[in-house]
Amino acid sequence: DVKVTQSSRYLVKRTGEKVFLECVQDMDHENMFWYRQDPGLGLRLIYFSYDVKMKEKGDIPEGYSVSREKKERFSLILESASTNQTSMYLCASSGPPRGEQYFGPGTRLTVT
Amino acid sequence: AQSVTQLGSHVSVSEGALVLLRCNYSSSVPPYLFWYVQYPNQGLQLLLKYTSAATLVKGINGFEAEFKKSETSFHLTKPSAHMSDAAEYFCAVGHSGGVADGLTFGKGTHLIIQP
Repeated sequence: DVKVTQSSRYLVKRTGEKVFLECVQDMDHENMFWYRQDPGLGLRLIYFSYDVKMKEKGDIPEGYSVSREKKERFSLILESASTNQTSMYLCASSGPPRGEQYFGPGTRLTVT
Repeated sequence: AQSVTQLGSHVSVSEGALVLLRCNYSSSVPPYLFWYVQYPNQGLQLLLKYTSAATLVKGINGFEAEFKKSETSFHLTKPSAHMSDAAEYFCAVGHSGGVADGLTFGKGTHLIIQP
């Protein structure tokens, strides 16, 4: 069965902290994605990666960075967390061209 | 550039009634389209997808969607709503040709089922 896992379901951090969100997929997919989800705004793409060590900015990359050292793992980094980064973060992966994305359960991050 | 519009942020139907969730898209290339469902505090789960085969696509849980090119629509339907269908539904349009296939999502429609 297809599986995308995220390191935490709920996370509370303080303003200014460095935050790491981890995502692992077991499907040998080339592509991985990070979205944030906010009420009324749907899903917005932060960054994606199409290969190990390769990354591309999405629609809202400001304040975020990513790392992909291994094919199965894609990390989202908040260099200095701010309250406006309080959100639900969803990781996804996809394989074949025109294929669907498979999503993890999400991490609800609260920055206080 | 692709975009997706979901009409109605909230849709309320009675149990047993028809479910109709509307999705219109714009795409400069032949699109491929998806509907996802999200239950509370969970990730997104694929309901169905259209990738240029049959225009009427059947998905899980009794849902189906029809691709209408002339109307640039991909509305989601279910003949008889069940209480377990209460969730957030997202329509998405795919775009390929770049370094990776990406999806553009609509803002979502919250489906409420009245007993």
